[in-house]
Amino acid sequence: EDQVTQSPEALRLQEGESSSLNCSYTVSGLRGLFWYRQDPGKGPEFLFTLYSAGEEKEKERLKATLTKKESFLHITAPKPEDSATYLCAVQARGSQGNLIFGKGTKLSVKP
Amino acid sequence: SQTIHQWPATLVQPVGSPLSLECTVEGTSNPNLYWYRQAAGRGLQLLFYSVGIGQISSEVPQNLSASRPQDRQFILSSKKLLLSDSGFYLCAWSAVGTEAFFGQGTRLTVV
Repeated sequence: EDQVTQSPEALRLQEGESSSLNCSYTVSGLRGLFWYRQDPGKGPEFLFTLYSAGEEKEKERLKATLTKKESFLHITAPKPEDSATYLCAVQARGSQGNLIFGKGTKLSVKP
Repeated sequence: SQTIHQWPATLVQPVGSPLSLECTVEGTSNPNLYWYRQAAGRGLQLLFYSVGIGQISSEVPQNLSASRPQDRQFILSSKKLLLSDSGFYLCAWSAVGTEAFFGQGTRLTVV
């Protein structure tokens, strides 16, 4: 069965304290792995797509990496505005684009 | 550019009442459309997806149904709501094999 597990469930950082979020997955043929940011009461906002092991994507203080079993979202020198829940999802080959989501990591960055 | 509209933002409905949530997409043709539900402490769960007008696939047997009367319109319905239907409902669209883009969600509370 295809599934996604994110860890930790919650992460508290001081402003400027870099860290990483983990997304482990099992899928019958990976078409793509996706990272989203979700603010309270809002829909998820797309961040990155990764398609193959070894691929990396960067956006401001965020960097996403992918291996054959997991993905990491690295946050460098975070700011309070980076506080949100970060969601990871996978899409299997042969699907109609359906995404299988993890439960997310809730990130809090204190000034 | 593409945009997705979802309404209403919040809804409080009594048990046994009907439901209709609407989602429309602008700026693209023949999108894949999705309805997800997000419950507290759980990941996003795919409810329905559609690859074309009148084509609906259900992922989870439940008290809900979906329809796609036009290319860029997706409707989530129920004839009689249950307490367990409460949650955060999200509409999304994607091109095949690419990332999904989400609406702002509807917070449904069944009382």
